[in-house]
Amino acid sequence: GQNIDQPTEMTATEGAIVQINCTYQTSGFNGLFWYQQHAGEAPTFLSYNVLDGLEEKGRFSSFLSRSKGYSYLLLKELQMKDSASYLCAVLDSNYQLIWGAGTKLIIKP
Amino acid sequence: IAGITQAPTSQILAAGRRMTLRCTQDMRHNAMYWYRQDLGLGLRLIHYSNTAGTTGKGEVPDGYSVSRANTDDFPLTLASAVPSQTSVYFCASSAAGGRDTQYFGPGTRLTVL
Repeated sequence: GQNIDQPTEMTATEGAIVQINCTYQTSGFNGLFWYQQHAGEAPTFLSYNVLDGLEEKGRFSSFLSRSKGYSYLLLKELQMKDSASYLCAVLDSNYQLIWGAGTKLIIKP
Repeated sequence: IAGITQAPTSQILAAGRRMTLRCTQDMRHNAMYWYRQDLGLGLRLIHYSNTAGTTGKGEVPDGYSVSRANTDDFPLTLASAVPSQTSVYFCASSAAGGRDTQYFGPGTRLTVL
């Protein structure tokens, strides 16, 4: 079966750095997405990785290792507005997105 | 209209009733999707459409139907609602499917009693 694993919840301090991990086992791989979802709102796109390595976009970076079935989202200089759920999703061999359950990130002052 | 709109925002429905959730996008995207999101589970694909006039089944299609008469609209119908269909429903669209980024509507919170 297809499986995406993420921690259920993480807590971090304002101004710090946090790494949210995602491991996956899917039928085929055509890329990995990270989305942010604030409570009661729609998911919004953060990043897309299809090749191994680190992609940096401002305070957010995303890393992919296809051989390990592993990705992480790195958030730097955390702000209170970063409190949200972070969703990892893999595009499988049928070009359908398989979603993890999300990691709820709590930022404390 | 800017992006994707969904209606209604929320709805309480008696079991056995028929319900249509509406979704409209103004980005001229070819592909559209319906997901449900339940606590503790990832988003699950119900149905999708890669282009107007075509539809396909996702991971959890039973009890739901869709149509895609034109590019902009992608309604989701529950023919006879059951309590297990209580969920938050998100409509999404992407330019051409595949690796294109999906953009989500604000969601419809549906409660079936």
